[in-house]
Amino acid sequence: QVQLQESGPGLVTPSQTLSLTCTISGGSISRSTHYWGWIRQHPGKGLEWIGYIYFSGNTYYNPSLKGRVTISVDTSRTQFSLKLTSVTAADTAVYYCATWTTLSSYFDNWGQGTLVTVSS
Amino acid sequence: DIQMTQSPSPLSASVGDSVTITCQASQDISTYLNWYQQRPGRAPKVLINDASNLQSGVPSRFSGGGSGTDFTLTISSLQPEDIATYYCQQYDNLPYTFGQGTSLDIK
Repeated sequence: QVQLQESGPGLVTPSQTLSLTCTISGGSISRSTHYWGWIRQHPGKGLEWIGYIYFSGNTYYNPSLKGRVTISVDTSRTQFSLKLTSVTAADTAVYYCATWTTLSSYFDNWGQGTLVTVSS
Repeated sequence: DIQMTQSPSPLSASVGDSVTITCQASQDISTYLNWYQQRPGRAPKVLINDASNLQSGVPSRFSGGGSGTDFTLTISSLQPEDIATYYCQQYDNLPYTFGQGTSLDIK
């Protein structure tokens, strides 16, 4: 069973870049069974899909983030990352890494989530 | 983007009650709909996929139905451990979108 763990700064300055890493245990980004992605949850609010990456390197992003987002895979293929540029207070949220199963079409593995606050 | 609207929110019921949460899509999504449960302080967990397919390990008191634009999640006999927020999510089109959530608590 794949396990995911987010890591990265909990505080980011406005206009800077938010960078998070998701470390994979019990698997790697090498098969067609999953997409590897990010979802965020604003404090006390609902869920927003940010985007995901396929083992081929193809990426898919939410247009609402207006080109500020990049998801990439580490050469080890046991980590993937999220970069969100030009952050504002509106980007304060709990960020989850999660996998989308291509076999059954749902988010089946989730990290525990990490709170990122954007503030000076 | 496809908008997903849930009702009611919040929802309060007694142990043993049958409760139904509805989710409406802004356009026809066939049965491309999932339901998730999020307990406080935890990540979401899938309950149902493809509108009505109960995931392994999920109690049989949970059921889902619907197609097109209107969907339901029913808990047939509410238990204390069902206190959570429930989200629907469409996967007919990217970007995936979620409902705003239904917070369920026990009276």
